[in-house]
Amino acid sequence: SQQGEEDPQALSIQEGENATMNCSYKTSINNLQWYRQNSGRGLVHLILIRSNEREKHSGRLRVTLDTSKKSSSLLITASRAADTASYFCATDFAGANSKLTFGKGITLSVRP
Amino acid sequence: NAGVMQNPRHLVRRRGQEARLRCSPMKGHSHVYWYRQLPEEGLKFMVYLQKENIIDESGMPKERFSAEFPKEGPSILRIQQVVRGDSAAYFCASSPPPRGTDTQYFGPGTRLTVL
Repeated sequence: SQQGEEDPQALSIQEGENATMNCSYKTSINNLQWYRQNSGRGLVHLILIRSNEREKHSGRLRVTLDTSKKSSSLLITASRAADTASYFCATDFAGANSKLTFGKGITLSVRP
Repeated sequence: NAGVMQNPRHLVRRRGQEARLRCSPMKGHSHVYWYRQLPEEGLKFMVYLQKENIIDESGMPKERFSAEFPKEGPSILRIQQVVRGDSAAYFCASSPPPRGTDTQYFGPGTRLTVL
């Protein structure tokens, strides 16, 4: 299966702490994207990192990509209660016609 | 610039009925993707369309499901003779030309419940 896999499956932290979420995949990619989904809602795009990039920042978000290990990590710094949501990594596999393959997601709970 | 629009947001159908889900992409976007999300799961790709063309339907069930993206109007995902297993959230995403290699912007989804 080409499906990305995130870990941990669930993460519970205190407000103000950092949250680190990981994603692994199996075949070559064009890019990897992270999305957030609040319960019962649609997906919000967070950040896209291309296969020739190693690190990107956006506000409190930092994403890294290691193509040799076929893995990515999403770091949320100084977490807030509003960051409570499910987080998905989605990969655009090379030759996959730009369709995205999603993992099962990570449930992040930030306690106030 | 309005985001991706989907309607209806919630749809209830009895077994055997037809479900029609609509998606209007963001202005200027010519690539549309449909995904299905089962409870507690990630999204699964169904079909990728451009105006009047199906580019990739490798994720579509072989029977009862069809999709179109006409020259004018929204993209439609049609499910005929629905069964309980079709209950899920269906998300549409769009991306701009040329090839959709960049960010896909998602709509709010249509939650289909089959009774």
